[in-house]
Amino acid sequence: GAGVSQSPRYKVAKRGQDVALRCDPISGHVSLFWYQQALGQGPEFLTYFQNEAQLDKSGLPSDRFFAERPEGSVSTLKIQRTQQEDSAVYLCASSPDGGMGGYTFGSGTRLTVV
Amino acid sequence: GENVEQHPSTLSVQEGDSAVIKCTYSDSASNYFPWYKQELGKGPQLIIDIRSNVGEKKDQRIAVTLNKTAKHFSLHITETQPEDSAVYFCAARDAGGTSYGKLTFGQGTILTVHP
Repeated sequence: GAGVSQSPRYKVAKRGQDVALRCDPISGHVSLFWYQQALGQGPEFLTYFQNEAQLDKSGLPSDRFFAERPEGSVSTLKIQRTQQEDSAVYLCASSPDGGMGGYTFGSGTRLTVV
Repeated sequence: GENVEQHPSTLSVQEGDSAVIKCTYSDSASNYFPWYKQELGKGPQLIIDIRSNVGEKKDQRIAVTLNKTAKHFSLHITETQPEDSAVYFCAARDAGGTSYGKLTFGQGTILTVHP
C-alpha cells in the first residue's frame, strides 16, 4: 500500500477487556516496529519484527502485551486484561532496511481504557 | 540505555521568524539522529535526519546540526510558516549492538507559528 495502515483508529475498552490492534505495513517492508505514545510524550519502543521473527520485545511493559507477525506482513498487537495505564496511542512503523534510515509511521490507534 | 532530552517543550514564534529546538543524548555510541513532525491525529513524519559522520545537513528551510563531542543536536527552521505548527520530536538510534533502528525519542516540542 501507499502507507502504513492501522486499525481501528480509535478503541474504547472496558478495564479487563482484551484488545487487538492491527498494522498493515508498506508492501515489501521487512522491518516492523511498534511504539506506545502516552499523551504529551514521545513514542516509546515496544517491539521489533524482521519479517516474521520478533527480534526484540524488550519494550513490552508486561506479559499482558503480545505481538505477532506470522506471515511477515500484517502485525497484531494484543493487550490482555486492559488496565487504565494502557491508555495511549499505539503506533506502528515499517522500513525496508531495518529502520537504519528512519521509518514510516502509521496514524496510530488511540486506545482508551475506561 | 539511551536517554534523550528535548527543549523547549513549547515554542511560539511569529511567521517569518526562525525556530530552534535542541536535544541532548546520553549514549556516545548513537550514530543516527532523525527529526519527526507530528500533526494532530497523525503519526510522526520524518522531516530530516543526520548521521554521526556529518556535522550539518540542510533541506530548504530546515537544517540540523550535530555536535558529537557535546552530544547534542538541534533543528533549525527558517522563515517559519503557519503550516509549520505541529509537535516536533528528536530521536537517537540506540546503537547497543543492534542491527536495526530502535529509536529513543525526546519529549517533544509544541511549535506554534502565529500569522
